Amino acid sequence: ELQLVESGGGLEQPGGSLRLSCGASGFTFSTNAMSWVRQAPGKGLEWVSGISAGGGNTYYTDSVKGRFTISRDNSRDTLYLQMHSLRAEDTALYYCAKVRGTYGEFDYWGQGTLVTVSS
Amino acid sequence: QSALTQPPSASGSPGQSVTISCTGTSSDIGNYNYVSWYQQHPGKAPKLMIYEVSKRPSGVPDRFSGSKSGNTASLTVSGLQAEDEADYYCSSYAGSNNPLVVFGGGTKLTVL
Repeated sequence: ELQLVESGGGLEQPGGSLRLSCGASGFTFSTNAMSWVRQAPGKGLEWVSGISAGGGNTYYTDSVKGRFTISRDNSRDTLYLQMHSLRAEDTALYYCAKVRGTYGEFDYWGQGTLVTVSS
Repeated sequence: QSALTQPPSASGSPGQSVTISCTGTSSDIGNYNYVSWYQQHPGKAPKLMIYEVSKRPSGVPDRFSGSKSGNTASLTVSGLQAEDEADYYCSSYAGSNNPLVVFGGGTKLTVL
């Protein structure tokens, strides 16, 4: 059974840092592009970042460029999102999602990890 | 403000059909056949219902169908059932534009 399990969320002060992890199982992680998608409380979905299967290509939405870094360890079947200079508007449930094919369609999602940025 | 525009709500009685629209631009929906639809029940993760405009993943009932015309995509749910009540989000690949993937603001589907 395919599983994506996120961890690393929590309460952090503005300006702080967090690293999210997403452990994958049940599929060949190293051959699939992955993404992070977030959902602020009571709001819609927002694509945050994506990474190619081999990790050589990374993509970010403008609001997180220069603050967030996506990476992956294919030997550990794990996806990461390093978050720096956190802002209140980064408060959201962060989902790890497997990309179906190449073009940003997400066929499997984790249950999410909650990031709260507040003083 | 979301990049794709969806109506905030839609409703129908059991057995009826409902169509949810999703309007984008020539940079996303109008330029790519990578439109997807997600169903999200309260407190749950989104679930892929439609990909590449009109294809259904294994296990998704054929009551769900998708289409596209120009810059607007649509999701039709036929033979509405109580369990279809959920939030529905459309999404489109946007190529080299930023962001790479855009979502709609979501539509709350109520089964009356």
